[in-house]
Amino acid sequence: GENVEQHPSTLSVQEGDSAVIKCTYSDSASNYFPWYKQELGKGPQLIIDIRSNVGEKKDQRIAVTLNKTAKHFSLHITETQPEDSAVYFCAASKTGANNLFFGTGTRLTVIP
Amino acid sequence: EADIYQTPRYLVIGTGKKITLECSQTMGHDKMYWYQQDPGMELHLIHYSYGVNSTEKGDLSSESTVSRIRTEHFPLTLESARPSHTSQYLCASTSRTSGTGEEFFGPGTRLTVL
Repeated sequence: GENVEQHPSTLSVQEGDSAVIKCTYSDSASNYFPWYKQELGKGPQLIIDIRSNVGEKKDQRIAVTLNKTAKHFSLHITETQPEDSAVYFCAASKTGANNLFFGTGTRLTVIP
Repeated sequence: EADIYQTPRYLVIGTGKKITLECSQTMGHDKMYWYQQDPGMELHLIHYSYGVNSTEKGDLSSESTVSRIRTEHFPLTLESARPSHTSQYLCASTSRTSGTGEEFFGPGTRLTVL
């Protein structure tokens, strides 16, 4: 089955700096890669996703890049703000799969 | 905001009690999931369902059971709660026919067993 690894487990950045979270996956058939943000006391919510036919996707201050050859994908947050502080999960899946396979999470702290 | 609800949000209960965690969604999704979340953040899939009368065990073994009698409802039951069951339980759903594969999560139930 799919195995998703995520690094780092914790990340602290100064407000205004960029944050990068990296994930690798094992199943070359995986073709859907979402990123979730979990705020304190809430369930994870999708913030951006990318499919395997695209190398990069941006949405305002967040972007995701995908390298299919190396089987890794990354989340980039620019101009970080205190409200970006949360736990972030990457995930991978493929067409017909039963469920998403999640990484182990990254706790991001943005220091004002 | 996803239309998926979990009750109760917080539950503190004594050892040996039977409990049911409720999960409902109003999106008509056929697939539903239960995850157990460690204090260390990691999400573990414990149950999933493809639709009515379908239930499957996930990757992490769990003493809980689930049922899916109605499309919108996917309750999780612990017959005899133990301190080792203390955790955050998250319910999620997705549409099998959706092109995205996105899973929508409820707010979670934080269970503490004394």
